[in-house]
Amino acid sequence: GENVEQHPSTLSVQEGDSAVIKCTYSDSASNYFPWYKQELGKGPQLIIDIRSNVGEKKDQRIAVTLNKTAKHFSLHITETQPEDSAVYFCAASMIYQLIWGAGTKLIIKP
Amino acid sequence: NAGVTQTPKFRILKIGQSMTLQCTQDMNHNYMYWYRQDPGMGLKLIYYSVGAGITDKGEVPNGYNVSRSTTEDFPLRLELAAPSQTSVYFCASSPQPPQGQYFGPGTRLTVL
Repeated sequence: GENVEQHPSTLSVQEGDSAVIKCTYSDSASNYFPWYKQELGKGPQLIIDIRSNVGEKKDQRIAVTLNKTAKHFSLHITETQPEDSAVYFCAASMIYQLIWGAGTKLIIKP
Repeated sequence: NAGVTQTPKFRILKIGQSMTLQCTQDMNHNYMYWYRQDPGMGLKLIYYSVGAGITDKGEVPNGYNVSRSTTEDFPLRLELAAPSQTSVYFCASSPQPPQGQYFGPGTRLTVL
C-alpha cells in the first residue's frame, strides 16, 4: 500500500526567511497531493494541492512542486510570518482515502 | 454554509461508558471520514463512508462503530470506553476523490 514520509519533523526558521518541507510517496498510482496546515487546537485546513499532471503550483507565498519520477513533492513558504507557525501535513491519494505524512512543526523565530 | 460541524467539543468519559460523537456536513459530499489524533501525532483513519448506507474500516477501527443513514450525518459510536481512546477526534468530508478533505473543529475526548 501507499506510504508517505515527511521531513523534517521540526523546522525552525527566522521570520522573513523561506521554509521547505519535503514528502516522498511509494505508490506511483497516487495522483493527488494536498497540503494541510493545523493550528493549535484546530482541525487541519487545506492550503494548497497539486495533481500529477502538474509540476508546480503557486498561491501567493506558498508553492508546491511535484517530481513524479522521483515520487516526491515539496511545500515552499516564502517570506515567512509569525502566523505561519503551525503543524503542516502532506498527503497522497489512494482510491477513496488520503495517506498522511507524520507532520512538520514549523516554528517562526522573531 | 457551516461546512463540517462536530459535537460535543469536549467530553470526559469514565472507563466502560459509551457515547456517540456527532458529525454533520452541509456541502452535499458523499465521502466522509473519522480520524483520531493523539497528542503530538498525526492522523489515523478510523472509518470512512463513500455514501449513505456504505461504510468501511480504516487503520484503527477496533472499539468504534459508525453508521451512515443520510448524506449529511456520520456519527461515531464508542462502546465500552477505554483510556487508550483518549484523543482528539476529527470528522472530514470530501467531494468525489481524489480531492481534498474538509475537516471539522474536532472533539476532545478524555477517558478516565
